[in-house]
Amino acid sequence: RKEVEQDPGPFNVPEGATVAFNCTYSNSASQSFFWYRQDCRKEPKLLMSVYSSGNEDGRFTAQLNRASQYISLLIRDSKLSDSATYLCVVNRGGSYIPTFGRGTSLIVHP
Amino acid sequence: DTGVSQNPRHKITKRGQNVTFRCDPISEHNRLYWYRQTLGQGPEFLTYFQNEAQLEKSRLLSDRFSAERPKGSFSTLEIQRTEQGDSAMYLCASSSVTGTDYYGYTFGSGTRLTVV
Repeated sequence: RKEVEQDPGPFNVPEGATVAFNCTYSNSASQSFFWYRQDCRKEPKLLMSVYSSGNEDGRFTAQLNRASQYISLLIRDSKLSDSATYLCVVNRGGSYIPTFGRGTSLIVHP
Repeated sequence: DTGVSQNPRHKITKRGQNVTFRCDPISEHNRLYWYRQTLGQGPEFLTYFQNEAQLEKSRLLSDRFSAERPKGSFSTLEIQRTEQGDSAMYLCASSSVTGTDYYGYTFGSGTRLTVV
């Protein structure tokens, strides 16, 4: 089993739709969780850190479920500009080494 | 520019040649990471420095790969006797001890290596 697993998609949604991605992780000792966004042929950029209590930033909501070992990202009112690959990142338990999922591709169409 | 800087942006080399990439992290960050990314995959961990100490190396990092971070500032990644399978984007990231949980990791623009 991979350390961090994501559905690669693509998720193809119309503008204005709500879309959700999940990411599962295998190491129960993991402490830090992030969602990164990566545009084609660009570097990953931090979208959100994911806290135990969940957090929201505008149209984006991230949640952590430690019992089931997954994190989620919800995007409301999708924009064309949200089209990108969303990478789930989990620190290995006891270290500061981030492990990336393969990413979920989102395509928002008019 | 206070971001992570990587050079060169692109490198085309013949199989068997040696290549070296450079990463300049954010100055106050003491952790530095190297990753490799191929098309359709997430970044794969290669190695990690805290200050000048190389604390972990992935099994992916064969004997042909070596990384250094002299004086705990910039880092270099060298690949000797390149193979076509080394073609990938090589990403460098940095973070601070105290800020990681909130600010995550900052990536450079990467070096795209093509081995012909």
